[in-house]
Amino acid sequence: NAGVTQTPKFQVLKTGQSMTLQCAQDMNHNSMYWYRQDPGMGLRLIYYSASEGTTDKGEVPNGYNVSRLNKREFSLRLESAAPSQTSVYFCASSQDVRDTQYFGPGTRLTVL
Amino acid sequence: ILNVEQSPQSLHVQEGDSTNFTCSFPSSNFYALHWYRWETAKSPEALFVMTLNGDEKKKGRISATLNTKEGYSYLYIKGSQPEDSATYLCASSPPNAGGTSYGKLTFGQGTILTVHP
Repeated sequence: NAGVTQTPKFQVLKTGQSMTLQCAQDMNHNSMYWYRQDPGMGLRLIYYSASEGTTDKGEVPNGYNVSRLNKREFSLRLESAAPSQTSVYFCASSQDVRDTQYFGPGTRLTVL
Repeated sequence: ILNVEQSPQSLHVQEGDSTNFTCSFPSSNFYALHWYRWETAKSPEALFVMTLNGDEKKKGRISATLNTKEGYSYLYIKGSQPEDSATYLCASSPPNAGGTSYGKLTFGQGTILTVHP
């Protein structure tokens, strides 16, 4: 089992460019999450999907959109990247929203 | 307490020492408390999920307790080893409010533990 995989591992964007971060899990989990991690801020929830077909906002959703493509995949889109979105992005999944979460390796994004 | 707070921010101990750190969370808006261990250059790894007041969980030399009435959890490491060096994160989840709120974890900033040989 690969667990939770994320692509790409690193990305550099210019302000105003768009991109999609991909996340996939092979644990047959129902729930998936996107977090960002900034120095001194800890992990902050951007969006989550409790089950296939549903998405909900987290603590910091502005500037992002998500798509739960199927049970395995949950993507995060930045439509018009801003320097404030420079961060490390983690995807996670869990069997159910009440269960422990399993994290992917992260994507380091720099917006110039 | 509106946020999840962890103390201390960092801790240096000698190999063999036992140590503990604290996570405080809003007791009025609580469903579950999660503990994760995060090693440098890796992803956070789950340790425990606790929901009941008085809950106590153990995994090897690591254990955790939960007090939901006063809003705190302790993580204990017995006989620390250099491989225990990591950031320990706690996260609180709120009660279900119309659907799926359980999934909205709020993380503390972590306690950075360094165990010196």
